[in-house]
Amino acid sequence: RKEVEQDPGPFNVPEGATVAFNCTYSNSASQSFFWYRQDCRKEPKLLMSVYSSGNEDGRFTAQLNRASQYISLLIRDSKLSDSATYLCVVNITPTTSGTYKYIFGTGTRLKVLA
Amino acid sequence: DTEVTQTPKHLVMGMTNKKSLKCEQHMGHRAMYWYKQKAKKPPELMFVYSYEKLSINESVPSRFSPECPNSSLLNLHLHALQPEDSALYLCASSQPRGDIYSNQPQHFGDGTRLSIL
Repeated sequence: RKEVEQDPGPFNVPEGATVAFNCTYSNSASQSFFWYRQDCRKEPKLLMSVYSSGNEDGRFTAQLNRASQYISLLIRDSKLSDSATYLCVVNITPTTSGTYKYIFGTGTRLKVLA
Repeated sequence: DTEVTQTPKHLVMGMTNKKSLKCEQHMGHRAMYWYKQKAKKPPELMFVYSYEKLSINESVPSRFSPECPNSSLLNLHLHALQPEDSALYLCASSQPRGDIYSNQPQHFGDGTRLSIL
């Protein structure tokens, strides 16, 4: 089982639609959680951190369920510019080093259609 | 504009060449990372430096040699690479550890696209 699992998609949705992505993780010692977006042939860019209480940034809402070990991202009123790959990231501390490191999900591809 | 700067943007090299990738950040971050990313795959961690000391090496072949000359700079020295090493190489930085830093995200440079002939 992969440490961080995502549905690779693609999700093809019309403009204005609401779309949700889920991500599950297996390491119960995971410390923090993030969503990144990555455009084709570009670097990952931080979309938002994910907090236990849930958090919202404009059209984007992230939720964390530690008991069930899953993270979600909701995008409302999708725009053409939202088309990208969305990477779920879990930040863990390996016991050997004490330094945080990222575990990436495989990414979910979203295409918003006109 | 990214706050982590990588040079060069593109690099083509033969299997016998020696070259270096460079990464610089001025955000005061004390952890820096090298990742390798192949097409349609997520980034794979290669190395982590924390306070200028190598903290994590994810069993990377010795033809990749990292160096952290100071808290702002990170280099990746390349020698005798193989065609399968062709990829996008990403540098990132963050605060390294500690309770107040536990939720600090990594910031990525825009990468060096490396092609091995």
